[in-house]
Amino acid sequence: DTGVSQNPRHKITKRGQNVTFRCDPISEHNRLYWYRQTLGQGPEFLTYFQNEAQLEKSRLLSDRFSAERPKGSFSTLEIQRTEQGDSAMYLCASSLLAAETQYFGPGTRLLVL
Amino acid sequence: AQTVTQSQPEMSVQEAETVTLSCTYDTSENNYYLFWYKQPPSRQMILVIRQEAYKQQNATENRFSVNFQKAAKSFSLKISDSQLGDTAMYFCAFMKEGGSSNTGKLIFGQGTTLQVKP
Repeated sequence: DTGVSQNPRHKITKRGQNVTFRCDPISEHNRLYWYRQTLGQGPEFLTYFQNEAQLEKSRLLSDRFSAERPKGSFSTLEIQRTEQGDSAMYLCASSLLAAETQYFGPGTRLLVL
Repeated sequence: AQTVTQSQPEMSVQEAETVTLSCTYDTSENNYYLFWYKQPPSRQMILVIRQEAYKQQNATENRFSVNFQKAAKSFSLKISDSQLGDTAMYFCAFMKEGGSSNTGKLIFGQGTTLQVKP
């Protein structure tokens, strides 16, 4: 068990470009969550998966955002046509069950210039 | 909708002393979970302690304990014998307990930055 991993750790992009982040959860965990954290603030929920099914999306997740979890393993979060307001830390977490402890990855820090 | 409020943006404590971080929340739910997470500088978030709302007994984990006041909707974290490694941002978080429909979504407060001074 190597914990939750996220790649890349840092991403700098120009406004209007597309970016994709990857999250590898703890292997036996069914639940996978994406959160966004801006500087000095607490994380905000974006979306979650149970196995391969995406069951809830926050209103924060505009139509430029899409997330997938093929085969219930790793997950990707894509942001199309990035905007400066998308600059944030994107955190992934996984858990075995809904009420179980969520284990967080190190995050991907996105800077949109 | 649930909200979590941490009214202390920054706190400091001398090494070996005790410090209490405050958290209040608002919910109409009766069954839920409360958490304290720690986020050290440039490191990932880890769980410090959790409390089930149906349990009257306050949770403890080594030097960390909570004071859970359900009626007052208050959930403070006490750190005893503070260590330099406790320096971090601390987040209080709420999760609704919804049985089979539980999303597991965490709602976080704004965080409290704790500095432990030697």
